Amino acid sequence: DADVTQTPRNRITKTGKRIMLECSQTKGHDRMYWYRQDPGLGLRLIYYSFDVKDINKGEISDGYSVSRQAQAKFSLSLESAIPNQTALYFCATSGTGGTNTEAFFGQGTRLTVV
Amino acid sequence: AQRVTQPEKLLSVFKGAPVELKCNYSYSGSPELFWYVQYSRQRLQLLLRHISRESIKGFTADLNKGETSFHLKKPFAQEEDSAMYYCALGLRGAQKLVFGQGTRLTINP
Repeated sequence: DADVTQTPRNRITKTGKRIMLECSQTKGHDRMYWYRQDPGLGLRLIYYSFDVKDINKGEISDGYSVSRQAQAKFSLSLESAIPNQTALYFCATSGTGGTNTEAFFGQGTRLTVV
Repeated sequence: AQRVTQPEKLLSVFKGAPVELKCNYSYSGSPELFWYVQYSRQRLQLLLRHISRESIKGFTADLNKGETSFHLKKPFAQEEDSAMYYCALGLRGAQKLVFGQGTRLTINP
């Protein structure tokens, strides 16, 4: 019974295709985040949301868009996938106790763009 | 700009030996530092945070503002410590985390 669930777990898609990665959480947290993980680069923030009406760009938002459908759901879309978007994507949530609040991560989505 | 640097991508030590994973940060504000760990086939999870000043699984980390460092230490490494470790900086105003590049720690038997 994971608190943060990502779907799909693995996906292979072709260049130019639109793809959506989904994240849902049962923690009741307001804050949700999308990161991508690349070898040697660590985790980089793509987008984050503090509530349903508050969406913010992270450091590498180009080529991505997000949708906060509800407090519990935060989706990441690649409008036209390209090979350098091949990466491991993580969704995370945190509560409203400031930056000292622990972040909880999903199990990751491995995306390959061919 | 805010930045977290973990200089070692890979670190390999023998079981029972001391371990130190280095983390340096750059931030003009009051820093909030964390260590996250990712064991094989598990999700990323919080290991410890500087404000708690706690020891988790034998690991400790001390914030050194003078050297802008938050190195993770353990006196006697165990095989189950093998994992990917990320240092993270909390940005108080922006309410988000900036991660380092990660260090893959391997404990040899």
